[in-house]
Amino acid sequence: EAGVTQSPTHLIKTRGQQATLRCSPISGHTSVYWYQQALGLGLQFLLWYDEGEERNRGNFPPRFSGRQFPNYSSELNVNALELEDSALYLCASSPTGLGGNSPLHFGNGTRLTVT
Amino acid sequence: GENVEQHPSTLSVQEGDSAVIKCTYSDSASNYFPWYKQELGKRPQLIIDIRSNVGEKKDQRIAVTLNKTAKHFSLHITETQPEDSAVYFCAASRGNTGKLIFGQGTTLQVKP
Repeated sequence: EAGVTQSPTHLIKTRGQQATLRCSPISGHTSVYWYQQALGLGLQFLLWYDEGEERNRGNFPPRFSGRQFPNYSSELNVNALELEDSALYLCASSPTGLGGNSPLHFGNGTRLTVT
Repeated sequence: GENVEQHPSTLSVQEGDSAVIKCTYSDSASNYFPWYKQELGKRPQLIIDIRSNVGEKKDQRIAVTLNKTAKHFSLHITETQPEDSAVYFCAASRGNTGKLIFGQGTTLQVKP
């Protein structure tokens, strides 16, 4: 069984640019979650998508957005990049309808560096 | 607001000793408490989880205890091995929110 895959592995952007990160969940999983892991910090919840809909979002500004496609893959968009957006962005998936109250399967992450 | 406090931030033990990591959560409605292990440069992986209707759960050398009254849960690793060295995160969630609140992590070093 293929795990959660994320692309790209690394992404370097300049302040003010936009970044797009992609995630493919485990086959059969319909929920996708995005977390930000800044250096030395824990994981901060960003977004939850299930069945193509945004179900919940964390305390992040609106320039963090995303979507989920009919095949349940997802992308995270970060607009107007700021230096403090530099972090590891982790995507996770789980079976449908459990809303995070079940084991999350994480991808390897995308390391975003904003210069 | 929702918060999970995790202690200690770093923990160094000798191989074979036990390690204990403690977490306290603020949201009394939390009902799911997973623990994740993240090795250097790798993805977080679930090692054990517990739900609010259970007080203790064991899986080989790993155990988790939950005290709902005190809003406190702990990870216990016995007979530690060098490969247990990693960052451990506790987390809490409630209901169907899709949101896990993570602790700040504990860096465990097991010395051979």
